[in-house]
Amino acid sequence: GENVEQHPSTLSVQEGDSAVIKCTYSDSASNYFPWYKQELGKGPQLIIDIRSNVGEKKDQRIAVTLNKTAKHFSLHITETQPEDSAVYFCAATGNQFYFGTGTSLTVIP
Amino acid sequence: GAVVSQHPSWVICKSGTSVKIECRSLDFQATTMFWYRQFPKQSLMLMATSNEGSKATYEQGVEKDKFLINHASLTLSTLTVTSAHPEDSSFYICSADSGALSEQFFGPGTRLTVL
Repeated sequence: GENVEQHPSTLSVQEGDSAVIKCTYSDSASNYFPWYKQELGKGPQLIIDIRSNVGEKKDQRIAVTLNKTAKHFSLHITETQPEDSAVYFCAATGNQFYFGTGTSLTVIP
Repeated sequence: GAVVSQHPSWVICKSGTSVKIECRSLDFQATTMFWYRQFPKQSLMLMATSNEGSKATYEQGVEKDKFLINHASLTLSTLTVTSAHPEDSSFYICSADSGALSEQFFGPGTRLTVL
């Protein structure tokens, strides 16, 4: 089956700085890579996703890049704000979702 | 669009009782719903995949007689934790497949505490 690794597990940045979270996957058949933001006590919320036929996607301060050859994809958050503080999960999916282990992001005001 | 609700959001029960959690897709029909369990500071663990009108598919190590799943309609799936014990205390999250190219939308989760 698929194996998704996510790094780092914790990340602290100053407000206004950028944050980057990286994930690797093992199954070359995976073709959909969503990123979720989970706030304490709430369910995951889809923030951005990318499919295997695209290398990069951007939505305002959030961007995702995908390198199919290397089997890794990354989440980039620019101009971070305190409300960006949360746990972020990547996932890789073909027929089933496989989640990364999560990254706890803290944006320091 | 693509809103998934769960009810209840928080439940406390005594050991030995059964608890039912509902998952609803509010503005779309979901032929497939998923049930996850999440322990503190950990990732989501898939418990089972629920298809409308058929039996759920359980992941390895998940007791199907303990975690009963019913997906009777295209907008509702239920998870019943039978004879709950303190070790069943967890955050249970459902998601629904919109059918649009693998996208899943998650519910807000249900916090179960078994005393």
